[in-house]
Amino acid sequence: DAKTTQPNSMESNEEEPVHLPCNHSTISGTDYIHWYLQLPSQGPEYVIHGLTSNVNNRMASLAIAEDRKSSTLILHRATLRDAAVYYCILRARAGGTSYGKLTFGQGTILTVHP
Amino acid sequence: DTAVSQTPKYLVTQMGNDKSIKCEQNLGHDTMYWYKQDSKKFLKIMFSYNNKELIINETVPNRFSPKSPDKAHLNLHINSLELGDSAVYFCASSLGTGAYGYTFGSGTRLTVV
Repeated sequence: DAKTTQPNSMESNEEEPVHLPCNHSTISGTDYIHWYLQLPSQGPEYVIHGLTSNVNNRMASLAIAEDRKSSTLILHRATLRDAAVYYCILRARAGGTSYGKLTFGQGTILTVHP
Repeated sequence: DTAVSQTPKYLVTQMGNDKSIKCEQNLGHDTMYWYKQDSKKFLKIMFSYNNKELIINETVPNRFSPKSPDKAHLNLHINSLELGDSAVYFCASSLGTGAYGYTFGSGTRLTVV
């Protein structure tokens, strides 16, 4: 399984943008980049995913480097509710030996200060 | 309308007992998963079923047996429970392709005493 590397923790102030980096230098051409967050005592929650182009949704934006070896999850205005563990995961397309499973790493613990 | 629902939410049981956790999804997904999150918070995949067929079986003791009666349900049965089985178990579902996200349930906290 292709691996990702994220900082253990990051801090932000409320109302400021947050850029969460992820390195995935061994990404293959058919791997999708997925981001999930996990709030305390809850299940992981899908945030966003992309393949090559930058993506925007109501929760966040995903910026993907041109060589796809890194990506950044952007929260445009952090709120206290955004404090969570954020996971960057590569998901292979179905049909490969990984069967498209998500393999979680340690993630980034985001702390948001009021 | 809960998309992925697990029951029970909490389960406290004695060592040696057998217990089951049920999972149901109403999203029309074709693939379902069981994940285990231990005290160190690492999430590890245990099993995956695609259209009722087992496709992923990670290194899990054979005391754990998943069952999928149809593609909307994936249950987890655990025999002879041990202290080390204490964890939070998450069910998830997805379409079986990298282009789709997973939807997770809210988890079942299993405590073996």
